[in-house]
Amino acid sequence: DADVTQTPRNRITKTGKRIMLECSQTKGHDRMYWYRQDPGLGLRLIYYSFDVKDINKGEISDGYSVSRQAQAKFSLSLESAIPNQTALYFCATSDRSSGNYGYTFGSGTRLTVV
Amino acid sequence: GENVGLHLPTLSVQEGDNSIINCAYSNSASDYFIWYKQESGKGPQFIIDIRSNMDKRQGQRVTVLLNKTVKHLSLQIAATQPGDSAVYFCAEESGANSKLTFGKGITLSVRP
Repeated sequence: DADVTQTPRNRITKTGKRIMLECSQTKGHDRMYWYRQDPGLGLRLIYYSFDVKDINKGEISDGYSVSRQAQAKFSLSLESAIPNQTALYFCATSDRSSGNYGYTFGSGTRLTVV
Repeated sequence: GENVGLHLPTLSVQEGDNSIINCAYSNSASDYFIWYKQESGKGPQFIIDIRSNMDKRQGQRVTVLLNKTVKHLSLQIAATQPGDSAVYFCAEESGANSKLTFGKGITLSVRP
């Protein structure tokens, strides 16, 4: 099983619909992140969480919300999806206490808003 | 998978040659740097990292060089193989409670 699992892998939704992307991890990491990737733009941070119930905005949080109810789970919601939210979404985890500062990424969720 | 490398700068190298991928970072306070590799349809994968108290670090077939004076980071891949074809991202961080900031990426294409 993957260390960081994202569901669904692909999703097509209509404008105005609410959608939730799920992320779960088995690494025991305390920190989790949601990134968005658009062609030619790299990875942009949406929200991040350093611990359960800790929520922080990233550089592009408008139109998104998150929930961290358990250490292993971090969900991203689009309350009312719009076409410019069509992108590849990645969840990532990290663990400062281990001394390894690198992020572990999931395989991504491709979201299309029509 | 989606071509995340579309519109990115591309480096084309011959199989067997050495590759050098460059990255300019913006924050002079950044003290930790990582190189990631992203293959089509997959999430970014950690390659190698370096802290600001070092100027060179070597891994298996990869070397990262850091020049803090000009805020420049490079990734050297020895004997480039077809499996090295991917998009490569540099990332920087400043401080234990900050987050990684990613560059836009460079596409490496290996010619057989």
